Amino acid sequence: AIQMTQSPSSLSASVGDRVTITCRASQGIRNDLGWYQQKPGKAPKLLIYAASSLQSGVPSRFSGSGSGTDFTLTISSLQPEDFATYYCLQDYNYPFTFGPGTKVDIK
Amino acid sequence: EVQLVESGGGLVQPGGSLRLSCAASGFTFSSYWMSWVRQAPGKGLEWVANIKQDGSEKYYVDSVKGRFTISRDNAKNSLYLQMNSLRAEDTAVYYCARDRFDYGDYVGFDYWGQGTLVTVSS
Repeated sequence: AIQMTQSPSSLSASVGDRVTITCRASQGIRNDLGWYQQKPGKAPKLLIYAASSLQSGVPSRFSGSGSGTDFTLTISSLQPEDFATYYCLQDYNYPFTFGPGTKVDIK
Repeated sequence: EVQLVESGGGLVQPGGSLRLSCAASGFTFSSYWMSWVRQAPGKGLEWVANIKQDGSEKYYVDSVKGRFTISRDNAKNSLYLQMNSLRAEDTAVYYCARDRFDYGDYVGFDYWGQGTLVTVSS
């Protein structure tokens, strides 16, 4: 199975900060990667698919980039509602695998 | 409005069985792949299984192969997960999720249920 890693595992940031989270795959996965946001006690929410495509209804401050093995999720200006845990997911082959998550909390 | 509502979770002893259900509404259920994703308490997300629209293709994570079976009933707009030989490490919130494709390309899980908790303990 493809292993996904994320860094950092957690970060503290302030409202208005630019935040970048990285995700790395153990082998090339083209652009078959999505990003999900999860708040405590809630189901995850799809933010980005195909590495850089914004899911409908997701604010434009979220963006994704990358291809092959290295990917990034960027939040251009952190908002109060963005404090959450973020997961990447590879859908290049089965079994689909998630990264371990990056928790973004308030500085 | 798309809705996915899981049920069937609960406390079960190691080695026991449980069947989860997911009732879908607000979309044409028979047109979508569907998945189960789980999350152990305080841990990350793990994709468990998915199933094609007509049930002809099913995929599983290695840790549940031979123990779990995903199925669906398109007439009832329902997704199921039969879980046998349960282990303590299967303890988790289980979510059903809709797999979305655009023009044949996989997009992701665009709708999720609220989850149902399965606890495996003696």
